[in-house]
Amino acid sequence: EAQVTQNPRYLITVTGKKLTVTCSQNMNHEYMSWYRQDPGLGLRQIYYSMNVEVTDKGDVPEGYKVSRKEKRNFPLILESPSPNQTSLYFCASRRQAEYEQYFGPGTRLTVT
Amino acid sequence: DAKTTQPPSMDCAEGRAANLPCNHSTISGNEYVYWYRQIHSQGPQYIIHGLKNNETNEMASLIITEDRKSSTLILPHATLRDTAVYYCIVRGAHSGGGADGLTFGKGTHLIIQP
Repeated sequence: EAQVTQNPRYLITVTGKKLTVTCSQNMNHEYMSWYRQDPGLGLRQIYYSMNVEVTDKGDVPEGYKVSRKEKRNFPLILESPSPNQTSLYFCASRRQAEYEQYFGPGTRLTVT
Repeated sequence: DAKTTQPPSMDCAEGRAANLPCNHSTISGNEYVYWYRQIHSQGPQYIIHGLKNNETNEMASLIITEDRKSSTLILPHATLRDTAVYYCIVRGAHSGGGADGLTFGKGTHLIIQP
């Protein structure tokens, strides 16, 4: 089954404790990206990657890092999480020149 | 990107056609209309997209007015599982790469009534 998977699905952590949210897709998509969703603000893009070893900032990259060492994986790294990063996070992928984005199930992160 | 306007909520009876409107009066010639939906905090799901012509797939139909300033998403036989927030998004064509952060506004909360 074609899908985007994220882990963990739920995470509660404390300020400053480094964490990684994994994202993996099995569709051989070139393009992957991370979004966060907050009430009243909609979805906002954090980072995106056009292919292996190619990443760039989206609209709200501060406080986040990403890497793309393999085509299928695009982890989101929070080196020093803060409470304002409490949010619902989605990973998405698509073929380079296509319109349909596939979203993962989401990761609900709480930073206390 | 052109902005879109959608009603905040709509009701539809199960089994009937759900017609969701979207205004995008500032759309430019090379911008597409996309529709996604999000079922209660799940990942958004692509439904359909179009440029000028009406489009149909297994999920829905998209009707775009001749002046392209508005469109309607049609779910022909709504079921309870179609209850979701529906987002109308206007965006330029993909150039093959680059940021394509889709701007999801508030959307329309469609509630299918049994």
